[in-house]
Amino acid sequence: QLQLQESGPGLVKPSETLSLTCTVSGGSISSSSFYWGWIRQPPGKGLEWIGSIYYSGSTYYNPSLKSRVTISVDTSKNQFSLKLSSVTAADTAVYYCARQDTGANCYSDWGQGTLVTVSS
Amino acid sequence: QSVLTQPPSVSGAPGQRVTISCTGSSSNIGAGYDVHWYQQLPGTAPKLLIYGNSNRPSGVPDRFSGSKSGTSASLAITGLQAEDEADYSCQSYDSSLSWVFGGGTKLTVL
Repeated sequence: QLQLQESGPGLVKPSETLSLTCTVSGGSISSSSFYWGWIRQPPGKGLEWIGSIYYSGSTYYNPSLKSRVTISVDTSKNQFSLKLSSVTAADTAVYYCARQDTGANCYSDWGQGTLVTVSS
Repeated sequence: QSVLTQPPSVSGAPGQRVTISCTGSSSNIGAGYDVHWYQQLPGTAPKLLIYGNSNRPSGVPDRFSGSKSGTSASLAITGLQAEDEADYSCQSYDSSLSWVFGGGTKLTVL
């Protein structure tokens, strides 16, 4: 069974860079059938798509975050990562990694999520 | 403010039928892009409930159904059960080159 697990600091200072990694187990990140994405949810608010990556390294970013986001993939470790620069309190959220089916384009599998708080 | 608009809350008694709407525009749902629905139980990650407007993944009860018309989509839940109390969110694609979600709807089972 596919599992995704987010890891990274739970507290980031304003203006610094948020860095998270998603480790995929029970399946290969190199499958041509899926994208791998990051989605976040600020406390008490709705979900927001951050961006997605294909195993080949092709990336797709939310235009509203594009200038601050970098997503990368490491197929040898079956991991993909998120970097969000120049963070502010507005970036405080639960960050989820998820697998997106390239056919249906829905997020079929999700990590448990990790809360990242931006505060000094 | 979310690109897709959902009611903040809906409620219903056990056994009843409830619907949750998801209203978009000509640049997303109205452009023909599929709508997906997710269920999020308190304190947990979203779970795929409906994909491709009206398809249920394996294991999702047939009490849950989805539909799409014009610039809107709907999720219907029949035979409401206490375990259905959760947040429900819709998702589609927008021609601004972004995947978009609704703001989420909290379902309360009375």
